Amino acid sequence: DIQMTQSPSTLSASVGDRVTITCRASQSISSWLAWYQQRPGKAPKLLIDKASSLESGVPSRFSGSGSGTEFTLTISSLQPDDFATYYCQQYNSYWTFGQGTKVEIK
Amino acid sequence: EVQLVESGGGLVKPGGSLRLSCAASGFTFSTYAMSWVRQAPGEGLEWVSGITNSGGYRYYADSVKGRFTISTDNSKSTLYLQMNSLRAEDTAIYYCAKGNGDFGATAFDYWGQGTLVTVSS
Repeated sequence: DIQMTQSPSTLSASVGDRVTITCRASQSISSWLAWYQQRPGKAPKLLIDKASSLESGVPSRFSGSGSGTEFTLTISSLQPDDFATYYCQQYNSYWTFGQGTKVEIK
Repeated sequence: EVQLVESGGGLVKPGGSLRLSCAASGFTFSTYAMSWVRQAPGEGLEWVSGITNSGGYRYYADSVKGRFTISTDNSKSTLYLQMNSLRAEDTAIYYCAKGNGDFGATAFDYWGQGTLVTVSS
């Protein structure tokens, strides 16, 4: 089974900050990685597919990079709507989520 | 507009059974793979089960293998999850999710609102 490890688990930041979340896979997953945003009480929302492909309608301040085993999600300038929990997910072999990164207000 | 609407959740005793449904609309249901993902209270996301667009291949997490069965009814554009031998650790919100392809390597581009399953005596 492929394990996904996100860091950090919690991130405190302010509006306007640049934020980076890291996701590591236990083995190579090529670019078969997605990033989701989940707000409290809501379903997850797909932000990025195939490691770096921004979904339609997602603000351009979100970006993804990486391949193989190391991936990052970057928010270039944090906005009030962005305080949420973020999950990475591999879909190279079945599907596995990272444990999540909660972005909270500093 | 794509819509996924889950139903069938509720309170069930350990060892009991429940069948979840997910009614899909706004896309050609038979063209896409579908999955169930769950989230225990205060916890992260866990993929539970997936099915290819044709229904020919079904996949399960080790935690539910042999107890849960995924299926589809393309005539009704509906996804199902039959859950047997339920345990306390199956307590979670269950989400239905649409794959962005027909098979295998697909992310989940649309999600339902979720249905809560509580396993307790």
